[in-house]
Amino acid sequence: AQSVTQLDSQVPVFEEAPVELRCNYSSSVSVYLFWYVQYPNQGLQLLLKYLSGSTLVKGINGFEAEFNKSQTSFHLRKPSVHISDTAEYFCAVSDHGNEKLTFGTGTRLTIIP
Amino acid sequence: GAGVSQSPSNKVTEKGKDVELRCDPISGHTALYWYRQSLGQGLEFLIYFQGNSAPDKSGLPSDRFSAERTGGSVSTLTIQRTQQEDSAVYLCASSLEARGWDEQFFGPGTRLTVL
Repeated sequence: AQSVTQLDSQVPVFEEAPVELRCNYSSSVSVYLFWYVQYPNQGLQLLLKYLSGSTLVKGINGFEAEFNKSQTSFHLRKPSVHISDTAEYFCAVSDHGNEKLTFGTGTRLTIIP
Repeated sequence: GAGVSQSPSNKVTEKGKDVELRCDPISGHTALYWYRQSLGQGLEFLIYFQGNSAPDKSGLPSDRFSAERTGGSVSTLTIQRTQQEDSAVYLCASSLEARGWDEQFFGPGTRLTVL
């Protein structure tokens, strides 16, 4: 069965500093990987996804993530954060052949001015 | 175009009462999902519908929970005899089809409070 671990429940970062939000998954088969973002008082929206091919994927708002099969990780990064990046970020995985997404518990990113 | 809509946005009910939560998916999306978001718990899958196929109910926590989707569009999640532990935000999402790689589009959620 697939599972996702987001070890950091909260990450405070100074404005214009870089950030990395960690995500590790567990699966016995090939996977699709996603990062969703939930801004305050809004619904979730897709930030980026890895389906196949290049292990470095770029998403909206300057975010990118790298799929590392050997470490079963899909960490999210941004070189310079802004106040507007304050949100909760969810990593999700689906096994090939499985229509369901399994979400992590989320990481709350707080930007310090 | 219109996104996924959910109603009501907030629902306060007393323990033991039944509640119905509604979801209107994006037009043309054949797959519809329900999730529960509890504080510190992430998103918990409840049920999904794909076209006219039988729904996958594997995530429903108890037989007090049920859902239906009429005409392949609007869906209703029903919780009978609500308990305080049912308090959470209930999210609905839709996608073009129920394929693992499809983006899911989420509604704003219904915040349920059981007193």
